[in-house]
Amino acid sequence: AQTVTQSQPEMSVQEAETVTLSCTYDTSENNYYLFWYKQPPSRQMILVIRQEAYKQQNATENRFSVNFQKAAKSFSLKISDSQLGDTAMYFCAFMTSWAGTALIFGKGTTLSVSS
Amino acid sequence: KAGVTQTPRYLIKTRGQQVTLSCSPISGHRSVSWYQQTPGQGLQFLFEYFSETQRNKGNFPGRFSGRQFSNSRSEMNVSTLELGDSALYLCASSFPLAGPYEQYFGPGTRLTVT
Repeated sequence: AQTVTQSQPEMSVQEAETVTLSCTYDTSENNYYLFWYKQPPSRQMILVIRQEAYKQQNATENRFSVNFQKAAKSFSLKISDSQLGDTAMYFCAFMTSWAGTALIFGKGTTLSVSS
Repeated sequence: KAGVTQTPRYLIKTRGQQVTLSCSPISGHRSVSWYQQTPGQGLQFLFEYFSETQRNKGNFPGRFSGRQFSNSRSEMNVSTLELGDSALYLCASSFPLAGPYEQYFGPGTRLTVT
């Protein structure tokens, strides 16, 4: 069975700083997708970034980028130039290529950005 | 384009009752997935419906069921409610045929069982 582990329950950072959130996963699959979702206090789950396992190039979306290490089964999220609006719970999620749209989530990391 | 909507947003029920939650996906999306979010268990996949058929199911008891209508709207039903069913229920829609399965989540329904 696939599992997703986020080892940092809470993190804090100052505005404009860079922060990296860690995620590791376990699977025997070769084709899969990885995601980072953000859940602010409003509870609305928002997709931050995705990575296809078959792509070696790390995904980037504006201030958000990932470090995908397939052999190590690691998928960390780097947030550059942190903003107050980045304060949220961040979830790492895994999806196989064959199980429909079922996402397996990690327990989440609460990120607090202060001024 | 309107986002995913869920109704009701808040619900209070008594143990033993049943409840039905509704989810309207983004226009054109044909897949709807349901998730339960609790402080203890985190986010857990309940089931997925695609073109009115359940395509995948998580590890939940049979008290949890769902269906999807021809317009892709989906409902989930929980019978014989237990205190442990108190949770935020999220639905997500996607258009799986369009490539990587990006799911767009609704605001959730907060269910409290007393």
